[in-house]
Amino acid sequence: SQTIHQWPATLVQPVGSPLSLECTVEGTSNPNLYWYRQAAGRGLQLLFYSVGIGQISSEVPQNLSASRPQDRQFILSSKKLLLSDSGFYLCAWGPEETQYFGPGTRLLVL
Amino acid sequence: QKEVEQDPGPLSVPEGAIVSLNCTYSNSAFQYFMWYRQYSRKGPELLMYTYSSGNKEDGRFTAQVDKSSKYISLFIRDSQPSDSATYLCAMRGRRGGSYIPTFGRGTSLIVHP
Repeated sequence: SQTIHQWPATLVQPVGSPLSLECTVEGTSNPNLYWYRQAAGRGLQLLFYSVGIGQISSEVPQNLSASRPQDRQFILSSKKLLLSDSGFYLCAWGPEETQYFGPGTRLLVL
Repeated sequence: QKEVEQDPGPLSVPEGAIVSLNCTYSNSAFQYFMWYRQYSRKGPELLMYTYSSGNKEDGRFTAQVDKSSKYISLFIRDSQPSDSATYLCAMRGRRGGSYIPTFGRGTSLIVHP
């Protein structure tokens, strides 16, 4: 069966610091991968998606970036965090018909 | 108009009640329809997905899709306190080379004993 991992689970970072969140998927090959952000009291915002190694599509222009160095690894990064980057970051993978989410990373920028 | 509309609630019901959760959408290109359950501080968990109009049943859960009215529903029978969570509807249509989902904002459900 497929499993999706995210780490860290919780992160507290100062404004202006860099960020690296990692997501890995087990039990499948060449998955579509997604990064979402869920702010408190708000819906899911799609940030990036990838259909293959090195292929990244950005949905929202911002100070975040994503990379897919390996088939089942998806990384979300920032060079300088903003207060508004606080939120719950979710990685997901899926075939065409649906999506499965990881446990999430809660990021607080102070 | 948002592509997907979902009442945020909260919806409060007594244990054992039948719960009806609903979403409307405007994009007729949506082809796949999903329902997720999200407990506080956890990732969303896929409950059900369907492709066509009609009903799909899984245990206490029934998903209903009416493409002509652009309306989907999730029914929960014999609701339990453990069903208390936020329920997200999601829909997918093809964008470029991938099916990109659009989520509702979620309905908060509270089932009280």
